[in-house]
Amino acid sequence: DSGVTQTPKHLITATGQRVTLRCSPRSGDLSVYWYQQSLDQGLQFLIQYYNGEERAKGNILERFSAQQFPDLHSELNLSSLELGDSALYFCASSELAGGYNEQFFGPGTRLTVL
Amino acid sequence: AQSVTQPDIHITVSEGASLELRCNYSYGATPYLFWYVQSPGQGLQLLLKYFSGDTLVQGIKGFEAEFKRSQSSFNLRKPSVHWSDAAEYFCAVESGGNQFYFGTGTSLTVIP
Repeated sequence: DSGVTQTPKHLITATGQRVTLRCSPRSGDLSVYWYQQSLDQGLQFLIQYYNGEERAKGNILERFSAQQFPDLHSELNLSSLELGDSALYFCASSELAGGYNEQFFGPGTRLTVL
Repeated sequence: AQSVTQPDIHITVSEGASLELRCNYSYGATPYLFWYVQSPGQGLQLLLKYFSGDTLVQGIKGFEAEFKRSQSSFNLRKPSVHWSDAAEYFCAVESGGNQFYFGTGTSLTVIP
């Protein structure tokens, strides 16, 4: 158990809908990362937040957005969902913001778009 | 553009045999390099990382990796594989500005 929790574990929704994925980092970790893992694209870095502020942006679509709240939990919002958004979404956390910091991954949320 | 290549999609080894998983990266400078392991239905776990200094790094679970600048490689090795090592292995690069790139993964099967 990494100490990172993600809810829900599974999510099934329809095209065009909007969903919110939630992540709680390890106690004491200030940085949160979001990743998408799909068969087509592999594992892709989406976005990083550090202490409430966006720190780095990867291959995140404009239909997707994220935020980190004062209690340091983070939410990833996916809107106008398409079939191709079906994937496993991972959250990871680290103590600090630098790229050298060890990231601890949550178990993921599996999103299925029908 | 930065990229990470894991040329072996799937590898099968016998228990007790040695293992080497290949990773090549494309990046101008020396990036931060990582190896992660993902067991079925789990998130990723960091095995080891390289930033600078000694090019041979030791990790958890008996794994080690060697950074070779001339070959832009960061291959993962283990002298004797255990059945519990069966999993998916990912090489990753942080190329600056907290931009992370992952390889496509190598699936390891261990046969008794």
